Amino acid sequence: SQQGEEDPQALSIQEGENATMNCSYKTSINNLQWYRQNSGRGLVHLILIRSNEREKHSGRLRVTLDTSKKSSSLLITASRAADTASYFCATRGSRLTFGEGTQLTVNP
Amino acid sequence: GAVVSQHPSWVICKSGTSVKIECRSLDFQATTMFWYRQFPKQSLMLMATSNEGSKATYEQGVEKDKFLINHASLTLSTLTVTSAHPEDSSFYICSAVSGVPSTDTQYFGPGTRLTVL
Repeated sequence: SQQGEEDPQALSIQEGENATMNCSYKTSINNLQWYRQNSGRGLVHLILIRSNEREKHSGRLRVTLDTSKKSSSLLITASRAADTASYFCATRGSRLTFGEGTQLTVNP
Repeated sequence: GAVVSQHPSWVICKSGTSVKIECRSLDFQATTMFWYRQFPKQSLMLMATSNEGSKATYEQGVEKDKFLINHASLTLSTLTVTSAHPEDSSFYICSAVSGVPSTDTQYFGPGTRLTVL
């Protein structure tokens, strides 16, 4: 069964606002990865956080990982219309397992 | 970052025919490649894992005789959908990892949209 569950399923915000997406999982992991997918396109790797890390930054992205709660969050600061996409978390155990995704819409 | 390409990007075929999709790692050698399928507005479902020079490992419920995977080199894997039917219509995405699958980043191709008439 799918490992990751994402919350919310859909998020609509205004340009300039911050967007936060959450991911929960059930079993132990080696790492957790976040991906972006524009409609009908492939996946773009955003960031990988290892199980012994708690926070990671990349540009406007901030990812946290709480292994005790088996959860992660992705924060996009100062969002832009171009950030509109589906965002997936994927947990790495014996295989890479994807969550259901959050559809983010950033309105100009 | 590492680049993975897929060809074709889309294909339309008649029911009963076979379709081959190629996945290439362009600037790295992929020890392991993965094939996923994705239905509209849904997540990615892993179909199979392949290592260069060995047989692919299929996920439960995936017919290995229908979805033939060949990983002949460290930069190329192919997925052949045999005797395709309309229910095989989907978005197929490959991905590749250069090092240890359990720890390294997995890079994804742009996907192939298959439509079976």
